[in-house]
Amino acid sequence: AQRVTQPEKLLSVFKGAPVELKCNYSYSGSPELFWYVQYSRQRLQLLLRHISRESIKGFTADLNKGETSFHLKKPFAQEEDSAMYYCALRRLTGGGNKLTFGTGTQLKVEL
Amino acid sequence: EPEVTQTPSHQVTQMGQEVILRCVPISNHLYFYWYRQILGQKVEFLVSFYNNEISEKSEIFDDQFSVERPDGSNFTLKIRSTKLEDSAMYFCASRDAAGTQYFGPGTRLLVL
Repeated sequence: AQRVTQPEKLLSVFKGAPVELKCNYSYSGSPELFWYVQYSRQRLQLLLRHISRESIKGFTADLNKGETSFHLKKPFAQEEDSAMYYCALRRLTGGGNKLTFGTGTQLKVEL
Repeated sequence: EPEVTQTPSHQVTQMGQEVILRCVPISNHLYFYWYRQILGQKVEFLVSFYNNEISEKSEIFDDQFSVERPDGSNFTLKIRSTKLEDSAMYFCASRDAAGTQYFGPGTRLLVL
């Protein structure tokens, strides 16, 4: 079975400070990792997927298979980054398309 | 940009009643999903649907749950006899060819 762990329920940073949202996973096969974001009163939206290796809104995330991590980083936080962030995993091997989510981290960017 | 839509946005029902939650996936997507999020907890997978049949379901998705694609556009989740613990936000999602799942805005179900 797969599991995604986001150890921080709430992360509060000042505007302009670096941000790192932690995500660790456990899965014995090959995973695909995602970050979804949910702004206030909006739907879950895809922010990043590790396969794409792109930077969206200044955020990046690198899959570290040795540490089984997929931490989300941004060098300079903006006020509009305040949102709920969810890390999610999908199996690449063994079939199945479901996403397994972490519990989410609420990011609050303060002025 | 096309979006997944869900109706109703809120539903209040009495315990033991049947509810049907509706979703319209993005038109050219072939995989559809239901997830739920109980207040304060993580988003949990319920069921996936492809080619007019269930492709995967979780332990949560027991006999009181069913899904259907009654026509070419709608995708429904039926809960036959609701329980208090079914109170949650229910999200529908559809998946594009690249594997990205797009979520609807959710239906908040409250069982009294």
